[in-house]
Amino acid sequence: GQQVMQIPQYQHVQEGEDFTTYCNSSTTLSNIQWYKQRPGGHPVFLIQLVKSGEVKKQKRLTFQFGEAKKNSSLHITATQTTDVGTYFCTYGQNFVFGPGTRLSVLP
Amino acid sequence: DTAVSQTPKYLVTQMGNDKSIKCEQNLGHDTMYWYKQDSKKFLKIMFSYNNKELIINETVPNRFSPKSPDKAHLNLHINSLELGDSAVYFCASSRLDGDEQFFGPGTRLTVL
Repeated sequence: GQQVMQIPQYQHVQEGEDFTTYCNSSTTLSNIQWYKQRPGGHPVFLIQLVKSGEVKKQKRLTFQFGEAKKNSSLHITATQTTDVGTYFCTYGQNFVFGPGTRLSVLP
Repeated sequence: DTAVSQTPKYLVTQMGNDKSIKCEQNLGHDTMYWYKQDSKKFLKIMFSYNNKELIINETVPNRFSPKSPDKAHLNLHINSLELGDSAVYFCASSRLDGDEQFFGPGTRLTVL
């Protein structure tokens, strides 16, 4: 079946550094969604990307959908301790979540 | 008001028991889901359900069964609990299939 890979699995950064996580699929995706889960919390929707090459920004977060619609990235500029958590990508209507990237931010 | 609520928040039980987890959403959504999150934090879909169709992940044992008394509720019933069922179970809902999902707070199930 369709699989979604995410890299890296873990990322430790110093507060103020940038962070990027990547989501890669073996097949073309109809859309992609990103979620954030804080430690001990539940996944919270961040954004959905639909169009090839689409770029969306939410304050310090920049989301990109690849031209071939097989990959996506989430970039955080100048991380803060509030960014700590696991970032998941998922796609379409198959409800397959990537394994997530766990972000730690050291103050 | 909580959009998606689950009860109980914690559930500790013995192997072989039968238990249920309740889920309610007050968003008027048509589709509800159950996910299992294991100790490695992998989120796996178990069921998706709307008033027309139940889609079951084929890897889910038939000891697990969703029950929907109405559009706002999707409860999860588990028979003959096993140690490997220990995990956090999340309920979620969305307006339509594939839309943004709203997750409940989760139920941490521990099977002893």
